[in-house]
Amino acid sequence: GAGVSQSPRYKVAKRGQDVALRCDPISGHVSLFWYQQALGQGPEFLTYFQNEAQLDKSGLPSDRFFAERPEGSVSTLKIQRTQQEDSAVYLCASSLDVTLNIEAFFGQGTRLTVV
Amino acid sequence: EDQVTQSPEALRLQEGESSSLNCSYTVSGLRGLFWYRQDPGKGPEFLFTLYSAGEEKEKERLKATLTKKESFLHITAPKPEDSATYLCAVQNTGNQFYFGTGTSLTVIP
Repeated sequence: GAGVSQSPRYKVAKRGQDVALRCDPISGHVSLFWYQQALGQGPEFLTYFQNEAQLDKSGLPSDRFFAERPEGSVSTLKIQRTQQEDSAVYLCASSLDVTLNIEAFFGQGTRLTVV
Repeated sequence: EDQVTQSPEALRLQEGESSSLNCSYTVSGLRGLFWYRQDPGKGPEFLFTLYSAGEEKEKERLKATLTKKESFLHITAPKPEDSATYLCAVQNTGNQFYFGTGTSLTVIP
């Protein structure tokens, strides 16, 4: 596609509910990143993939967060048993290959509100 | 610990009034420093990548510079459409990215 696509754009979840957020990267992009952005803050790194391999998940805040990219293209970020502190915008970014210092392009984000 | 600090948090300029945004960083090994623009409700939009001290890049009214400790984003004769939050990020040798909290720029006609 022309850009990074994320769905849904908005998600309201009841506390304790599981959610799944989807990211479609730019076609051919090897590297894919997930970030969490709280209101008024910069994006905070969650995890990143090179193709289907999850090379770094050090930013995932708890074991309730899980990300996958099984075929090296579309990625899903899953949050189990959502809590109010999970409310944030979740951004996905992709780049041709982060190891080559190529810039990353961001999607519009998914705004998650846990009530 | 790698981190990025941006200043000021907010900046109001009259149209045509040039200024600079600052990004100070500490990083174990710098692979690149990135500037992004973010409009409300949108994802960050890529502006520049800088790789080494002394490097400069320009795009329209924006110019980014890099030293060993900080980067500046210079805005020359800004227009109202330049109003946005400007984010700085560093990439370390482990391919981890650290963002600052951004500078919210408002340009008044």
